[in-house]
Amino acid sequence: AQSVTQLDSQVPVFEEAPVELRCNYSSSVSVYLFWYVQYPNQGLQLLLKYLSGSTLVKGINGFEAEFNKSQTSFHLRKPSVHISDTAEYFCAVSPPIIQGAQKLVFGQGTRLTINP
Amino acid sequence: NAGVTQTPKFRVLKTGQSMTLLCAQDMNHEYMYWYRQDPGMGLRLIHYSVGEGTTAKGEVPDGYNVSRLKKQNFLLGLESAAPSQTSVYFCASSLTSYSNQPQHFGDGTRLSIL
Repeated sequence: AQSVTQLDSQVPVFEEAPVELRCNYSSSVSVYLFWYVQYPNQGLQLLLKYLSGSTLVKGINGFEAEFNKSQTSFHLRKPSVHISDTAEYFCAVSPPIIQGAQKLVFGQGTRLTINP
Repeated sequence: NAGVTQTPKFRVLKTGQSMTLLCAQDMNHEYMYWYRQDPGMGLRLIHYSVGEGTTAKGEVPDGYNVSRLKKQNFLLGLESAAPSQTSVYFCASSLTSYSNQPQHFGDGTRLSIL
C-alpha cells in the first residue's frame, strides 16, 4: 500500500518570493508521482508528473519538482510566485500498472496563499 | 472543450433523502472515477469504472452506489443520505489504464446533508 504526507497544510508567501511545498511518500514498490493544483471552486489539474528518468521534472506555470528516492520525497518548487498561484496543491502517487484502473493516493493538500 | 462535466454543482439534502450525481465526459475515456474531498484528508476514491457496464469499489465505497450504463456517463448514488456524506465530490476520467496517464477532473459537486 502507498501513503502520501504533505508536511505543510498551509504555506503563506509574499509575491515574487520562492516557495517549496513538501511531499513525502511511503511505498513498498516503485511508484509514479504527481502534483495536482486546485484553483478555487475548480477541479484538479495536473501540474507535473515523474515516471522515470531525470529526477528533476518541469511542469506548467514555472513549477518544478525533484524526485529523491533515498528520502522518498517529491518536493514542489517555484523560484518566484505570483498572486495567481494561490491555490491548493496535492501530491499523489500511483503504482505502475498494466491493467486495471489507476488508483491515485493523494496527500492531504497544501494551501498556498500569495500575499502582495 | 467541455471535458468532464458534473451536475449538479451544489445540493442540500436532508438526512435519509436520496439523490444521484451525474458525471459526463466527452473525451471517449475508458476509465472513470468518483472521489470525495474532505478538509485535511485530500481526495479519497469511492468507486471507479474500467469501462461501460463495469464498476468496482474504491477506498471508501460504503453508502454509495454507482452505474456506468453508457461509456460517457458515470452516476454516483446516495440511497439514504447521512451527515457524514457532506463533502465535495469529484468525478475524473482517464484515457487508458496506464498509470502515466493523467486523470481529468470535473469542477466538483458540493453536497451538504442536514
